[in-house]
Amino acid sequence: EVQLVESGGGLVQPGGSLRLSCVAAGFSFSDHYMEWVRQAPGEGLEWVGRIRNIAKSHTTEYAASVKGRFIISRDDSKNSVYLQLNSLKTEDTAVYYCAREASYDYAMDVWGKGTTVTVSS
Amino acid sequence: DVQMTQSPSSLSASVGDRVTLTCRASQDISNFLAWYQQKPGRAPKLLIYAESTLHSGVPSRFSGSGSGTDFTLTISSLQPEDVATYYCQNYKSAPFTFGGGTKVEIK
Repeated sequence: EVQLVESGGGLVQPGGSLRLSCVAAGFSFSDHYMEWVRQAPGEGLEWVGRIRNIAKSHTTEYAASVKGRFIISRDDSKNSVYLQLNSLKTEDTAVYYCAREASYDYAMDVWGKGTTVTVSS
Repeated sequence: DVQMTQSPSSLSASVGDRVTLTCRASQDISNFLAWYQQKPGRAPKLLIYAESTLHSGVPSRFSGSGSGTDFTLTISSLQPEDVATYYCQNYKSAPFTFGGGTKVEIK
């Protein structure tokens, strides 16, 4: 079964750090670009960033709101993608989803169930 | 950055009605447009990509059209299980911005 499972969410103080993980199963993980999307409570979806595959040197792109604070990485040997969250702000409170970009298109065809990050003192 | 604007923000329709949701991009994104459905408490699901291509397993009552800056998602006959929020997304170039969503309810 094709699936993505996120973990690592929790409660963190403003200014703190957290590392989210997303483990993939059921498909050739290394071939795909991977993305992170977040959703603040009661709000819409916000694209966070993406990491390309090894053919594109694992290059990354980020939303302006997180650039310089968040880092996306991946370990193809572990079928995993990571989101390092640094210098957290209260407005980073959200459910964080990882998603797979389709091999035939840049749309996100497989999503995890999400992990919740709460930034509060 | 490309701004995506969806309208209406919410709508209420009867079972069996034809429902049309619109999405406007602030600049030409060709057909690099996806639609996602999100039910309460669940992760989003891909419905349509490349503006009009139905994702595998999506019922044929869903269809997409448009190009450039103006796009529509149509539900030909609204069903109770279609109650959800629908988001469009630009993926022509990063940042891959989402619209604000349209919440669809049953009257």
